[in-house]
Amino acid sequence: AQKITQTQPGMFVQEKEAVTLDCTYDTSDPSYGLFWYKQPSSGEMIFLIYQGSYDQQNATEGRYSLNFQKARKSANLVISASQLGDSAMYFCAMSLQNTNAGKSTFGDGTTLTVKP
Amino acid sequence: DTGVSQNPRHKITKRGQNVTFRCDPISEHNRLYWYRQTLGQGPEFLTYFQNEAQLEKSRLLSDRFSAERPKGSFSTLEIQRTEQGDSAMYLCASSARTGFSYEQYFGPGTRLTVT
Repeated sequence: AQKITQTQPGMFVQEKEAVTLDCTYDTSDPSYGLFWYKQPSSGEMIFLIYQGSYDQQNATEGRYSLNFQKARKSANLVISASQLGDSAMYFCAMSLQNTNAGKSTFGDGTTLTVKP
Repeated sequence: DTGVSQNPRHKITKRGQNVTFRCDPISEHNRLYWYRQTLGQGPEFLTYFQNEAQLEKSRLLSDRFSAERPKGSFSTLEIQRTEQGDSAMYLCASSARTGFSYEQYFGPGTRLTVT
């Protein structure tokens, strides 16, 4: 079974500063994908970034980067130059990549508040 | 690309009633997922389809829950004899394989309140 742990229920960051949201995962399967989603107060889950277990380089998407440390089983999200609109709930998720997989296991999320 | 849509957005029902939710995925996506999310928690997997085939159903899903995806297009999730513990946000997502990734795109959700 897969498990995602997000140990920070809430985080605060000053506008324009960088912030790291922690995520650790557990699986015995060698082939998996790691995802981060943003959920604003409106409720819709927004895909942010993906990292495959065999990817050699850390994923980046604009202001988002994923600090992937496979040996430590961690996949932390780094948001650079925080904006007020980044205030939301952030979820880390994992899915296996064998043929009949694709469903995701989510952590319980981290609430990020950006202060002006 | 119109995104994933879900109807209704909100549903209030009395305990014991049946409810049905609809999800329309992104048109070229062959995989469709249902999740349930309660306050302060991450989404919890319920079931998923590849085209019209239901490939997996969570063990947490009671027999009161059933999902269909006729013709591999839209999907419905029905809850029979609703209980107060069914109150939650029901999220639908769809995906298509991109390389090794099945990144999922979510709809706005249906919020169910059972009174």
